Amino acid sequence: QQPVQSPQAVILREGEDAVINCSSSKALYSVHWYRQKHGEAPVFLMILLKGGEQKGHEKISASFNEKKQQSSLYLTASQLSYSGTYFCGTEGTDSWGKLQFGAGTQVVVTP
Amino acid sequence: GAVVSQHPSRVICKSGTSVKIECRSLDFQATTMFWYRQFPKQSLMLMATSNEGSKATYEQGVEKDKFLINHASLTLSTLTVTSAHPEDSSFYICSASSSGVGGYTFGSGTRLTVV
Repeated sequence: QQPVQSPQAVILREGEDAVINCSSSKALYSVHWYRQKHGEAPVFLMILLKGGEQKGHEKISASFNEKKQQSSLYLTASQLSYSGTYFCGTEGTDSWGKLQFGAGTQVVVTP
Repeated sequence: GAVVSQHPSRVICKSGTSVKIECRSLDFQATTMFWYRQFPKQSLMLMATSNEGSKATYEQGVEKDKFLINHASLTLSTLTVTSAHPEDSSFYICSASSSGVGGYTFGSGTRLTVV
């Protein structure tokens, strides 16, 4: 079952922060985050495996609340290169290896 | 880092013909690869899981006789769209996992247009 992502889109000025949320109705083994630029394949950002785990990739970080089956991606001090569509991919405890992707969040960072 | 090569990047074919898409893991072995389809401005939808040396497992609603998957070796999986129709036009992407890296590496995708 597809996880629910919010918001659908966000427009930021360079340097501003944003949060993207991902929620699943299933018990999760992991949450992945990817960024996709127009016409390109998704690029892996990070994977979160444990409840309450936080990870970071430059000024992009994420948290995973295993009990709530939720993950959030934090874009801090956004840069123009952060523009793209962000997808969360969830791996259920009953479907190891298979990722179900959310609908995506389009992020536009303006100068 | 892990690299997955996918070919062709774009293909235009006539309705009724078949198209083969290749997905190769270049610097690691992938016993399992995944095939996704993405329509414009939509999310990636998992089509099937390709397993080396055995039959692929398909997601509900995906016609296995139409989308033939062959995982001939630990580094190569192919997806053949048979008797393609305009509604099969889409962006097809494969992915694989390199156990040492975490996460999945995606191929560059194949834009299929059926005319």
